[in-house]
Amino acid sequence: DSGVTQTPKHLITATGQRVTLRCSPRSGDLSVYWYQQSLDQGLQFLIHYYNGEERAKGNILERFSAQQFPDLHSELNLSSLELGDSALYFCASSRGLLATGELFFGEGSRLTVL
Amino acid sequence: DAKTTQPPSMDCAEGRAANLPCNHSTISGNEYVYWYRQIHSQGPQYIIHGLKNNETNEMASLIITEDRKSSTLILPHATLRDTAVYYCIVRVAQTGYSTLTFGKGTMLLVSP
Repeated sequence: DSGVTQTPKHLITATGQRVTLRCSPRSGDLSVYWYQQSLDQGLQFLIHYYNGEERAKGNILERFSAQQFPDLHSELNLSSLELGDSALYFCASSRGLLATGELFFGEGSRLTVL
Repeated sequence: DAKTTQPPSMDCAEGRAANLPCNHSTISGNEYVYWYRQIHSQGPQYIIHGLKNNETNEMASLIITEDRKSSTLILPHATLRDTAVYYCIVRVAQTGYSTLTFGKGTMLLVSP
């Protein structure tokens, strides 16, 4: 158990819909990272928040957005969903700004878009 | 970050040592080598990291060549639960440097 909690674990929805994925980092961790893993793309970095502020963006689509709240939990919002958005979405956390390179990953949210 | 090259797959017999190679010939002096693994559809798990010296922890050993252009992750007594994709990542370790970039990794299959 990494201490990172993601909900929901599974989500099935239709094209054009909007969903929100939630992540609670380990106690005391200030950084939250979102990754997407699809069968053909591997693990892709989406976005990083540190203490409520966006720190880095990766391959995140404009239809996707995220935020980190004052209690440090984070949400990833996916809108106008397409079939290709079906993937595992992982949240990870670290104590600070990843100086040591150790990320703690949650178990992921599996999104299926039909 | 420097690019890494790993074999796509490897096999290992249960109880034997699993030696997973990684090539990072363009590594810079301030870049560390990290290893993570991902058991099927679970979140990736940190294993070990190092700069130039060999490192060992309760999970594995990391051997880095003297020229730092390659490294080997050693699981000394592989078990069936070690079947996973193993990722070798090279990254600058400094505050403010944001994330880890995962490649395709090596799929290690441990068989009875």
